[in-house]
Amino acid sequence: EDQVTQSPEALRLQEGESSSLNCSYTVSGLRGLFWYRQDPGKGPEFLFTLYSAGEEKEKERLKATLTKKESFLHITAPKPEDSATYLCAVQAPPGGSYIPTFGRGTSLIVHP
Amino acid sequence: DAGVIQSPRHEVTEMGQEVTLRCKPISGHDYLFWYRQTMMRGLELLIYFNNNVPIDDSGMPEDRFSAKMPNASFSTLKIQPSEPRDSAVYFCASTLTGTGVGNTIYFGEGSWLTVV
Repeated sequence: EDQVTQSPEALRLQEGESSSLNCSYTVSGLRGLFWYRQDPGKGPEFLFTLYSAGEEKEKERLKATLTKKESFLHITAPKPEDSATYLCAVQAPPGGSYIPTFGRGTSLIVHP
Repeated sequence: DAGVIQSPRHEVTEMGQEVTLRCKPISGHDYLFWYRQTMMRGLELLIYFNNNVPIDDSGMPEDRFSAKMPNASFSTLKIQPSEPRDSAVYFCASTLTGTGVGNTIYFGEGSWLTVV
């Protein structure tokens, strides 16, 4: 059973068309939720860490929010350079482990 | 900081051959991770080390896979013998202060393995 589910799997937007990516999780005792960006042929690049429900973080056109069951990555007025796969990971320690579990990612394409 | 450095970036090998992937973590980081990424399964944790000691290798798919960390600045992931289903991108990653709350994991650029 997947602990982290990202949706949609793929998203195509026109430049300037704002939207949101979703990361839902079923773990209990969440310690941290991470968002990463992955460009083709590259490793995942860290974007944000969220720790508690209600927390928000922003970076340029991206804003991440967190509730008790899910996180959203809002993209405002995206540009073609925002095209990438966005990965979500949750950190919840079953048995004491703090190793994050990654979702499958959302592939975002922004057309000019 | 140079970041996590992996080699080779690309490897094409024949089935049955031995493959060795190499990783240099960020200096000072005390945890090192090996991940595998495929379209079918996404990003999977294979094994991780703390202060050069393997802590959890439950993600290693078979005995054909092995990993070592002889010192704080070098790790290898070995596949012997390799099979076509091992074709994937293998990422090395590292973090500081033992994956406590909010510790960010930094990834290398990956080693793209194709077994034919």
